[in-house]
Amino acid sequence: DTGVSQDPRHKITKRGQNVTFRCDPISEHNRLYWYRQTLGQGPEFLTYFQNEAQLEKSRLLSDRFSAERPKGSFSTLEIQRTEQGDSAMYLCASSWPGVDTQYFGPGTRLTVL
Amino acid sequence: AQTVTQSQPEMSVQEAETVTLSCTYDTSESDYYLFWYKQPPSRQMILVIRQEAYKQQNATENRFSVNFQKAAKSFSLKISDSQLGDAAMYFCAYGGNTPLVFGKGTRLSVIA
Repeated sequence: DTGVSQDPRHKITKRGQNVTFRCDPISEHNRLYWYRQTLGQGPEFLTYFQNEAQLEKSRLLSDRFSAERPKGSFSTLEIQRTEQGDSAMYLCASSWPGVDTQYFGPGTRLTVL
Repeated sequence: AQTVTQSQPEMSVQEAETVTLSCTYDTSESDYYLFWYKQPPSRQMILVIRQEAYKQQNATENRFSVNFQKAAKSFSLKISDSQLGDAAMYFCAYGGNTPLVFGKGTRLSVIA
């Protein structure tokens, strides 16, 4: 059990550029969640998958955001035309089938200049 | 919609002493889970303790214990024999097989 991993750990980009983040969940975890955490706040839910199916999207997830989990393993989160307000820590978490506890990765810190 | 409130933005405790972090939540569900997560500076979030709402017995994990009051919708975390490594942001969260709803967190400082 190697834990949830995220790549990259840090990303600095210019406003208007596209960025993509990757999350690798704990193996055999069928649920994968994306959260966003801004400075001084708790994480806020963005979207989650069960296997390859995207089950729910938050209203925070504007049309510039898209997430995929094509084979039910790793997931990607893409932000198009980044804005300064997108600067945040993007957290990924995963859980076993039917189990309530979510395990978090180290996060990707995005800075939009 | 569920909400989680942590009314203490910052707390401090002397090393080896006991501290209690508060959390209240709002839900219309009867079956759910509550969690405390710890997020050390620049490090990832880790689970401290979880409580199943249908269980009356309060959860404990070594030096960490909770006081779960279902009727009052209160879920406080007690840290006994505080250690320097306990210094972190602590988040209370509601959920269970669903996306988690987090409070804004309490920053705990431990004074040597």
